[in-house]
Amino acid sequence: EVQLLESGGALVQPGGSLRLSCAASGFTFNNYAINWVRQAPGKGLEWVSGISGAGASKNYADSVKGRFAISRDNSKNTVYLQMNSLRDDDTAIYYCAKGGRDGYSQPERNWFDSWGQGTLVTVSS
Amino acid sequence: IQMTQSPSSLSASVGDRVTITCRASQTISSYLNWYQQKPGKAPYLLIYAASSLQSGVPSRFSGSGSGTDFTLTISSLQPEDFATYYCQQSFSSPLTFGGGTKVDIK
Repeated sequence: EVQLLESGGALVQPGGSLRLSCAASGFTFNNYAINWVRQAPGKGLEWVSGISGAGASKNYADSVKGRFAISRDNSKNTVYLQMNSLRDDDTAIYYCAKGGRDGYSQPERNWFDSWGQGTLVTVSS
Repeated sequence: IQMTQSPSSLSASVGDRVTITCRASQTISSYLNWYQQKPGKAPYLLIYAASSLQSGVPSRFSGSGSGTDFTLTISSLQPEDFATYYCQQSFSSPLTFGGGTKVDIK
């Protein structure tokens, strides 16, 4: 059974930093892209970032480019999202989501077939 | 690429046929996915690549379209289908979602 477990969410002040983790199990981790998707309170879904299976390809939403960095440790079956220079509008539930396309590990031309339960990031003074 | 869903909300009864549309600001071939989200829960994949039904999803859900115009259809709405639905393009980065369509009980 595929499982994705996010952790690291917290209350942080504007300008602060936070690192989220997404621990995966139940599939051959390095064969699949992993993405971060967020949802601000009462709002819709926003894709944040994605990383290919080997970690060579990384992409970001314009709203987080230059502030957030995605990485993965395939020996630990874990993806990370380093968030710096946090702003009020980064407040959201952050979900990690697995790419669903077998034999293809890029975030693009793909879909999100499994999601974690989410971790809450609150940016406030 | 901007994704525009319509309507943003709708009221329907059990047994109704429901159609949600999604329009892309440029062609995305068939790289269009649909998700369902219930309050307090993570999204759930319904349809991928415009028309492929995800394993385990009831056959009353179907998707169609290519290029810029896409449709999600629920052939006979069930009580468990009251939720918010999102389209998402994966043609190119940054990946983008539509604004969502909330389906509630009439």
